[in-house]
Amino acid sequence: NAGVTQTPKFQVLKTGQSMTLQCAQDMNHNSMYWYRQDPGMGLRLIYYSASEGTTDKGEVPNGYNVSRLNKREFSLRLESAAPSQTSVYFCASSEHPRQTGGGTEAFFGQGTRLTVV
Amino acid sequence: GQSLEQPSEVTAVEGAIVQINCTYQTSGFYGLSWYQQHDGGAPTFLSYNGLDGLEETGRFSSFLSRSDSYGYLLLQELQMKDSASYFCAVRVYSGAGSYQLTFGKGTKLSVIP
Repeated sequence: NAGVTQTPKFQVLKTGQSMTLQCAQDMNHNSMYWYRQDPGMGLRLIYYSASEGTTDKGEVPNGYNVSRLNKREFSLRLESAAPSQTSVYFCASSEHPRQTGGGTEAFFGQGTRLTVV
Repeated sequence: GQSLEQPSEVTAVEGAIVQINCTYQTSGFYGLSWYQQHDGGAPTFLSYNGLDGLEETGRFSSFLSRSDSYGYLLLQELQMKDSASYFCAVRVYSGAGSYQLTFGKGTKLSVIP
């Protein structure tokens, strides 16, 4: 299994350009997440989705939009990129926690390294 | 919102034991997880505590006290390959069957010979 696949792996944008980061998982997970990681800031949640057709804002949603196209795919769009959005972006997926104790692990993609100049 | 506090850096000697603490403030707390991330890599899951007490997985153990909003990760028999960043993360129920996963800022562990 591929797990969580993110594309592209690297991207350079000019200020004001738009782009969509793609994420797909093949584990039949309900929950999917988008994070950004900046030095010293840890992983900050941008948006998450509990199921197909639902999305919720996380800690730092401004400047981003998301789309849960189906159960497998969760995309992140930058409509007008800004230098402050230079970061490493991670997509993750997980099951819903189960009372039996399962569904607690989140699986991450390999990240997209985005530079906005 | 949620807030998590963990030390920014820890240094320990190969073969020793190290403990990384995490305190959190959140509503809708469901459980505490730990993740490891090597430089340039993606975070990978280490352990999860949904109930109070100790969970052991090989050289790694994790502890949770829900009443104290506190947990820790214990790494034993440290190896050079354990040099990495370690993140605590809270799973929070945000309603309508939806769960957030919020991370701390991470602890950079350096293992020295």
